[in-house]
Amino acid sequence: DARVTQTPRHKVTEMGQEVTMRCQPILGHNTVFWYRQTMMQGLELLAYFRNRAPLDDSGMPKDRFSAEMPDATLATLKIQPSEPRDSAVYFCASGLAEETQYFGPGTRLLVL
Amino acid sequence: AQSVTQPDIHITVSEGASLELRCNYSYGATPYLFWYVQSPGQGLQLLLKYFSGDTLVQGIKGFEAEFKRSQSSFNLRKPSVHWSDAAEYFCAVGRYNQGGKLIFGQGTELSVKP
Repeated sequence: DARVTQTPRHKVTEMGQEVTMRCQPILGHNTVFWYRQTMMQGLELLAYFRNRAPLDDSGMPKDRFSAEMPDATLATLKIQPSEPRDSAVYFCASGLAEETQYFGPGTRLLVL
Repeated sequence: AQSVTQPDIHITVSEGASLELRCNYSYGATPYLFWYVQSPGQGLQLLLKYFSGDTLVQGIKGFEAEFKRSQSSFNLRKPSVHWSDAAEYFCAVGRYNQGGKLIFGQGTELSVKP
């Protein structure tokens, strides 16, 4: 049963520290999405990639967030420096172009 | 602007009762639509999807949804709710040639009374 995996599942850090979240998409999927979920804003699309190339990162604060796909099996989302307002659950999802997105279990981030 | 509205933030139903969760969208073109479910501490799981064809679609766990183009709606239904259905439900809408990008509703939290 193919699944999207995300690490770490939980992260507690202090303000100003760098945070890196990792996602392994389902093998064969060519599109990877990063979302952030908070109580106030709900699910927000931060960025997404097609065939490892960024298609849209307009939802991402550019000054502190960066997203990359070093290879087809790994997507990363980095926050540097982190701030308390970045506390949220970050989800990765993968899919095939304009088809179903399959979500990972999320990384719960708490920035103190 | 493109938007997805789930008018009910929280719904409580009794176990065994029927359920309907509403979803309305505002889009400039033919959409494709999804319902996802999220249990506490979990990721989003696909319940069902509509791309084309029969406007009544069946999903997992006994759920179904009907696409009504004239009403811009894609409501989720279940004839008899189980306690394990308590979760948050998200409607999502995509548009062709948008790279697979989805717009999500704010979610409806479902509670089930014994």
